[in-house]
Amino acid sequence: QSALTQPASVSGFPGQSVSISCTGTSNDIDIYNYVSWYQQHPAKAPKLMIYDASDRPSGVPGRFSGSKSGNTASLTISGLQAEDEADYYCCSHTNNGTFLMFGGGTKLTVL
Amino acid sequence: DVQLVQSGAEVKKPGESLKISCKASGYSFNHYYIGWVRQMPGKGLEWMGIIYPGTSDTRYGPSFQGQVIFSVDKSITTAFLQWSALKASDTGVYYCARMGGRWIDYWGQGTRVTVPS
Repeated sequence: QSALTQPASVSGFPGQSVSISCTGTSNDIDIYNYVSWYQQHPAKAPKLMIYDASDRPSGVPGRFSGSKSGNTASLTISGLQAEDEADYYCCSHTNNGTFLMFGGGTKLTVL
Repeated sequence: DVQLVQSGAEVKKPGESLKISCKASGYSFNHYYIGWVRQMPGKGLEWMGIIYPGTSDTRYGPSFQGQVIFSVDKSITTAFLQWSALKASDTGVYYCARMGGRWIDYWGQGTRVTVPS
């Protein structure tokens, strides 16, 4: 089955805001609020940034926010900082029996 | 503190078997699903499936059904991922992860598996 669809790359200058989209189907994002986002720096394990589409775990800066509309979820990072440069993956619960599905990942470059 | 500590890197030949481990601590092991995630070299995260330690109920992603086996040993709060006959295409980093709900809240550090062709 196909992964959730994310842009391959996004970029922004320090202090700017960027958004990363994640498009799913009627089997996942469209019918569930169970969207999560993960940040992965090179050679590191991923880290949870957003869960349940818009909730932020303790310890994650308030600059990170999530939203969902229809079959598309978004991660927005405001006030970009150099340390935000990483790969970002969306993930959704799915009703196709596999439980979860990841997006293809988006590389964020801070210019 | 919740911790998932995985076994070390492995280099194996095609056709060999392998079992890697994920030692959980700091929470009630029986009551949280453990998921497994593959990351092939230079690629994204792939969902492999989950196991519920309390019952050993498992669900495999379609690409992994019949290719790997998930198991747990509750007495040592450890989850396992095993292969009976490795292929070069199994090369990658494998992460175990705790499911906080329908999301992953804690990750292991990853186990690198290399199967030279």
